[in-house]
Amino acid sequence: EVQLVESGGGLVQPGRSLKLSCAASGFTFSDHNMAWVRQAPKKGLEWVATISYDGSNTYYRDSVKGRFTISRDNAKSTLYLQMDSLRSEDTATYYCARHDNFDYWGQGVMVTVSS
Amino acid sequence: DVVLTQTPPTLSATIGQSVSISCRSSQSLLDGDGDTYLNWLLQRPGQSPQLLIYSVSNLESGVPNRFSGSGSETDFTLKISGVEAEDLGVYYCMQATHAPLTFGSGTKLEIK
Repeated sequence: EVQLVESGGGLVQPGRSLKLSCAASGFTFSDHNMAWVRQAPKKGLEWVATISYDGSNTYYRDSVKGRFTISRDNAKSTLYLQMDSLRSEDTATYYCARHDNFDYWGQGVMVTVSS
Repeated sequence: DVVLTQTPPTLSATIGQSVSISCRSSQSLLDGDGDTYLNWLLQRPGQSPQLLIYSVSNLESGVPNRFSGSGSETDFTLKISGVEAEDLGVYYCMQATHAPLTFGSGTKLEIK
């Protein structure tokens, strides 16, 4: 059974950093591109970043470029999102998802940016 | 960025009724390789999104066949043939043909 389990969320002050993790199981993690998608409270879905299966290519939405870094450790079957210089508008539930048609999603982790 | 416009924003249906949701794109979603990367997702209350349809009309494994997708280029439709109680939630279209990947604003399905 495919499972994606996010962790690392919480309350953080504006300007500070947070690192999210997504532990994958039930499939060959190193064969798949992976993504982070977020959802602000009561809002729709917004793609954040994608990383290729081997980590050699990364892609970001403009609003997080230079602040967020997506990475992966294929030996640990884990996806990461390092979030620096956080802003109030980054407040959202963050989902990791398999980029292949977005066929599998984690349960999500809440990030609240507030003083 | 590609804008996906979903209509209606809210849909109210009785059990057994057939309904359709429209997703219109600001650009053609036909890729140079001949594929169209338009998917449909359902987010039930309090849950993560779930893939229903990929590449316009392909039913994801395990998804009931009362769900179907159709369309081309800029105009796409999700049809539910015989709504069931478990179908309530917010339906999203999403495109992965053009960067950045974008989602529609959602259609909330309510059960009367």
